[in-house]
Amino acid sequence: GDSVTQMEGPVTLSEEAFLTINCTYTATGYPSLFWYVQYPGEGLQLLLKATKADDKGSNKGFEATYRKETTSFHLEKGSVQVSDSAVYFCAPASGGSYIPTFGRGTSLIVHP
Amino acid sequence: KAGVTQTPRYLIKTRGQQVTLSCSPISGHRSVSWYQQTPGQGLQFLFEYFSETQRNKGNFPGRFSGRQFSNSRSEMNVSTLELGDSALYLCASSLLDEQFFGPGTRLTVL
Repeated sequence: GDSVTQMEGPVTLSEEAFLTINCTYTATGYPSLFWYVQYPGEGLQLLLKATKADDKGSNKGFEATYRKETTSFHLEKGSVQVSDSAVYFCAPASGGSYIPTFGRGTSLIVHP
Repeated sequence: KAGVTQTPRYLIKTRGQQVTLSCSPISGHRSVSWYQQTPGQGLQFLFEYFSETQRNKGNFPGRFSGRQFSNSRSEMNVSTLELGDSALYLCASSLLDEQFFGPGTRLTVL
């Protein structure tokens, strides 16, 4: 089955700092790739996705590029805000039903 | 458009009891998936239902079961609760490849 490796957190940054959260995956075939975010006390929300090699997903200033050759989908943001503090999950989804396999999640803490 | 709703939001049970959790998907979504989230194991897939049929299943014991109704609402049941079943149970509905999550049901087993 699919598997995901995410960098361990917590990642602690000051406001306006640059963010990178690394994600590598193993999957059957050519999965769709997703980043989900979970704010405290809430369920997960889709942050962005990419469905084929070299696609770049983007949303709310976050970006990630589907790198088939390195099986990676690293999340980046140029300038983080306190409101970005949350747990971020990388998730490939293979097969017809698109059930994602979630990484362990990376906690991001942004200080003012 | 209303989001995914889960009831109840919080639940406290004792070992050996059983529990039923409910999930109402977004209108028009026919696929409903269930996940267990714990600090130790992270987010683990339980099962997925599509048009009242279980389409995918994770690696959980038979004490965990589910069903889906004709209106796409879904329930999951855990019988003979164990302390290790304490977790946040998340339901997600989907139309294509995106999952839309509810806020979860926090189950505490004493």
